Amino acid sequence: NAGVTQTPKFRVLKTGQSMTLLCAQDMNHEYMYWYRQDPGMGLRLIHYSVGEGTTAKGEVPDGYNVSRLKKQNFLLGLESAAPSQTSVYFCASSYQTSGIDTQYFGPGTRLTVL
Amino acid sequence: SQQGEEDPQALSIQEGENATMNCSYKTSINNLQWYRQNSGRGLVHLILIRSNEREKHSGRLRVTLDTSKKSSSLLITASRAADTASYFCAPSGGSYIPTFGRGTSLIVHP
Repeated sequence: NAGVTQTPKFRVLKTGQSMTLLCAQDMNHEYMYWYRQDPGMGLRLIHYSVGEGTTAKGEVPDGYNVSRLKKQNFLLGLESAAPSQTSVYFCASSYQTSGIDTQYFGPGTRLTVL
Repeated sequence: SQQGEEDPQALSIQEGENATMNCSYKTSINNLQWYRQNSGRGLVHLILIRSNEREKHSGRLRVTLDTSKKSSSLLITASRAADTASYFCAPSGGSYIPTFGRGTSLIVHP
């Protein structure tokens, strides 16, 4: 049981380049999330998905797109990277039961945009 | 906003001491969770307390919830160096999706 995995672990981009971050979970969770974590800012929700084929905006969605074509995968895309998107990105998955949503996090992807 | 705010932002103690961190939130909740993040790692769920509960224990962790004051506290007893981490509270309301604050950075000196 791998839990939540993220690919890649590290990446350096130049301004204007594009990339896709992959999140995969093997727990059959319905819900998946993408967060970014910046020093002093805590975790901010970018986008989330409540099931295969669905996506929704979070707190800071601008500059990012997502897709959930398969239940186990949640992709985060940066079409034209900017230095402000330098951050650590975390993916999480969860299932909701009885009003409780406990999240399981991946190890993170460190992205630097030059 | 449902986001919790942890206090203090940073806490430094000696091994064996107790560590207390607090969380305040603004709107009504269904439950509140606490997570730990070791340096450079993802968050790990520690404990959950429902809105109709006042106190919960798990090993060396004790969580309290006061819905009238919209606040929660996490107590770690007999701290160890391995408890050094950031701790986040995550209240959740109607959508049940937890929201995370900025965390409390705890350093436990051996």
